[in-house]
Amino acid sequence: EDQVTQSPEALRLQEGESSSLNCSYTVSGLRGLFWYRQDPGKGPEFLFTLYSAGEEKEKERLKATLTKKESFLHITAPKPEDSATYLCAVRKSGSARQLTFGSGTQLTVLP
Amino acid sequence: EAGVAQSPRYKIIEKRQSVAFWCNPISGHATLYWYQQILGQGPKLLIQFQNNGVVDDSQLPKDRFSAERLKGVDSTLKIQPAKLEDSAVYLCASSEGGIAEAFFGQGTRLTVV
Repeated sequence: EDQVTQSPEALRLQEGESSSLNCSYTVSGLRGLFWYRQDPGKGPEFLFTLYSAGEEKEKERLKATLTKKESFLHITAPKPEDSATYLCAVRKSGSARQLTFGSGTQLTVLP
Repeated sequence: EAGVAQSPRYKIIEKRQSVAFWCNPISGHATLYWYQQILGQGPKLLIQFQNNGVVDDSQLPKDRFSAERLKGVDSTLKIQPAKLEDSAVYLCASSEGGIAEAFFGQGTRLTVV
């Protein structure tokens, strides 16, 4: 059965304190791993897509990396406005290519 | 470019009543998804359309939930009758198809009392 597991469930950081969020997955035939940011009361906002092991993507203070079994979202020198829930999702091969989400990491950055 | 539009934003109903949600995807997007997100959890796929055909509805409680996508554009999700455990945010998303990323609407928060 396909599984997407995110850790930690919650993370509190001081402003400027860098850290990483983890997304581990077991899926037959990965056809993309996606990172989203979700603010309270809003829908998920697309951040990155990674398609193959070794691939990296960057956007401002965020950097996403991918291996054959997991992905990391590195946050460098976070600011309070980076506080949100970060979700990862995997798309698997097959006719439907479903998009399956993990449960998310709730990040709080304290000033 | 306009995003995914959903309505209503909030809905409160009594158990056993019916409710419907509407979604207008990004223009030209062939794939449309409905997700259910319970507080503190990640989105769970309910149904996925490719154009106006269903490609996955394996997690849709078909005894009470139904969805349609007219002319491969707008979509409605209906719950009849609602149960307390249906209280959640219902998210609509769309993508170009294939392995492209999906874009989400703001969601409809449903409270069943």
